[in-house]
Amino acid sequence: GQQLNQSPQSMFIQEGEDVSMNCTSSSIFNTWLWYKQEPGEGPVLLIALYKAGELTSNGRLTAQFGITRKDSFLNISASIPSDVGIYFCAGQPSRSGTASKLTFGTGTRLQVTL
Amino acid sequence: ETGVTQSPTHLIKTRGQQVTLRCSSQSGHNTVSWYQQALGQGPQFIFQYYREEENGRGNFPPRFSGLQFPNYSSELNVNALELDDSALYLCASSLGTPTSGREQFFGPGTRLTVL
Repeated sequence: GQQLNQSPQSMFIQEGEDVSMNCTSSSIFNTWLWYKQEPGEGPVLLIALYKAGELTSNGRLTAQFGITRKDSFLNISASIPSDVGIYFCAGQPSRSGTASKLTFGTGTRLQVTL
Repeated sequence: ETGVTQSPTHLIKTRGQQVTLRCSSQSGHNTVSWYQQALGQGPQFIFQYYREEENGRGNFPPRFSGLQFPNYSSELNVNALELDDSALYLCASSLGTPTSGREQFFGPGTRLTVL
């Protein structure tokens, strides 16, 4: 099945560093979502974006909906050990009988060292 | 507010068997979607249920079927299990109509192993 291109695939950073990851698609999406998944658990919604160009923050997390509607970015500032996990982007289509169907990215695995 | 719950947590089946997975949606949510997540990959959309009817399906064969009940809970059934069906099966619920594109909230998943 289709998956969005997400990069980087994995990151090893030190506590306190900032993190950036992005997600690109060949299709336009009406909504972009960012989820975090920890081992043995389901994805947890972090941020939802609804408009092209929108910049939204949730604590230390900031995400942007790309102008072309084909990409999105997530930044984490001042990383802490509990940020460890896999981050997934997900897009919802603009014109579809199932407009809320999510297409997920390939994931970015984040490791934080002390 | 109760979140999305799924049962069972883990399940082991053998090839050719049938399995039923269950999901209770978050309180007030009327739309349920099912996803399959293979190891090391992102979730893949299986299908969605709204008003007790299937509303869209991903690239999965007919042996994957589902139900939604009047209380919005849902079941995922898989017949004639294959080894490749081993995965984490995730249920997500949302509020509104399928065309409104609302946020989906996920349950913890059911880990299915097919031997």
